[in-house]
This record gives sequence, C-alpha cells and structure tokens, in this order.
Amino acid sequence: GAVVSQHPSRVICKSGTSVKIECRSLDFQATTMFWYRQFPKQSLMLMATSNEGSKATYEQGVEKDKFLINHASLTLSTLTVTSAHPEDSSFYICSARVYGAGISYNEQFFGPGTRLTVL
Amino acid sequence: AQTVTQSQPEMSVQEAETVTLSCTYDTSENNYYLFWYKQPPSRQMILVIRQEAYKQQNATENRFSVNFQKAAKSFSLKISDSQLGDTAMYFCAFMKLPNNAGNMLTFGGGTRLMVKP
Repeated sequence: GAVVSQHPSRVICKSGTSVKIECRSLDFQATTMFWYRQFPKQSLMLMATSNEGSKATYEQGVEKDKFLINHASLTLSTLTVTSAHPEDSSFYICSARVYGAGISYNEQFFGPGTRLTVL
Repeated sequence: AQTVTQSQPEMSVQEAETVTLSCTYDTSENNYYLFWYKQPPSRQMILVIRQEAYKQQNATENRFSVNFQKAAKSFSLKISDSQLGDTAMYFCAFMKLPNNAGNMLTFGGGTRLMVKP
C-alpha cells in the first residue's frame, strides 16, 4: 500500500526557534500533499495544500510567513514552523494524494504525525 | 463551502455488538466522495471505508458498512461484531470530485468510540 512517513515524530523546542517537519511518500509519487493541524481531542484542520513545484495554498487564518511549506519533489514536502511559540504546540499531520495510472486519485494517505511541543 | 457534522462526541459499545456512528453533511455539490477514517491512540489516520456519491449501493468493508442517504445528506457507519481494536476516534470526511484545487478533505468533529470487553 501507499506509505507516508513523517520526521520527526516528536520534537520539543524553545520558544523563538524554528522547526522543520518532513513528509515523504515512500512508494509513490505525490503531486499534492496536505498539511493538517490537530489539537487534543479535536478534528483535523487543513492548514495548506502543497503542490509540487509551486507555492502552497494556505487556508484562511493560517499565516504563510509562519508556516513555510516547500514541496520540492514528488516525494517530499516540508513544513517549517518559524519563530515557534507555545501556542504552536500541536499535532501536525501530512497526507499525500496518490498519483499514477490505475491508482485511485481520490484517496489521501496520511503520515503518522508529528507532535510539536514549544516550551 | 462544505460542512460535516458528527453529532455524537462519544459512544461506547460492548464487544461483539453492533454500533452506528452518525454523520451529516451540507453541500451544493452533486458529485463527491465520503469517507470514514479511524484514528486509534497511535494517532495514525486509517481509511475505513469510502463511498462515491454517484453510487446508490452502500459500501461495505468486512465488518464495516455505511448507510448513505444522498437526499438526506446522511452517511452513517455501522460496525458489526465490535472488537476491542475498534476503539478509536472516527472521523467522517467529505471530498469534492477531482479538480485543480487538489481534492481537499473536510472533516467532521469526530466520534470517540470505546469498545468495552
């Protein structure tokens, strides 16, 4: 099946520092990747849609200068939380849309998530 | 814009029994997909079942089946013969048919299901 990995799985950082989270599609090419944020006991909130080779599309209310997204290849997207603050502490999940002939292009495969704690 | 509503924040069921999770949605679209995702304590999102709106037949996957009522915009999930491993958060999700916007998912608020031994 289609596998998506995220790295790191957990990160603790000091307030004011930047943190980079990687999302990789391991066995397929993903033209589109999505970044979600999930607070405890809440649903997933879409932050941005990332297309390979182009600028990410951010959802309303998401600061694009704070959450930098880069989708440099068909298998890698990165989310950088710049100048992180305690309110940025959350669970960040990426997903990838499968691309390819004979594969359902309507399904998203999810990474295992990254727990960010900002002290 | 689409909205997805799950009216049951928490539910519990005895092992081996059947439970139904509710989901309603609001959209002006005619063609779309609906999904149920499971998020166990590991937090990994797992696709449980998918329904294409143009199909009248309800989707089934082993112990999981849906009751899709397009006119009522209702999409409930039935879990038969509940197992302890079914304990998880369950999210209902909506996706418009493919377009250049990238097929974003809209999630409901989730239902926490506890299967009791």
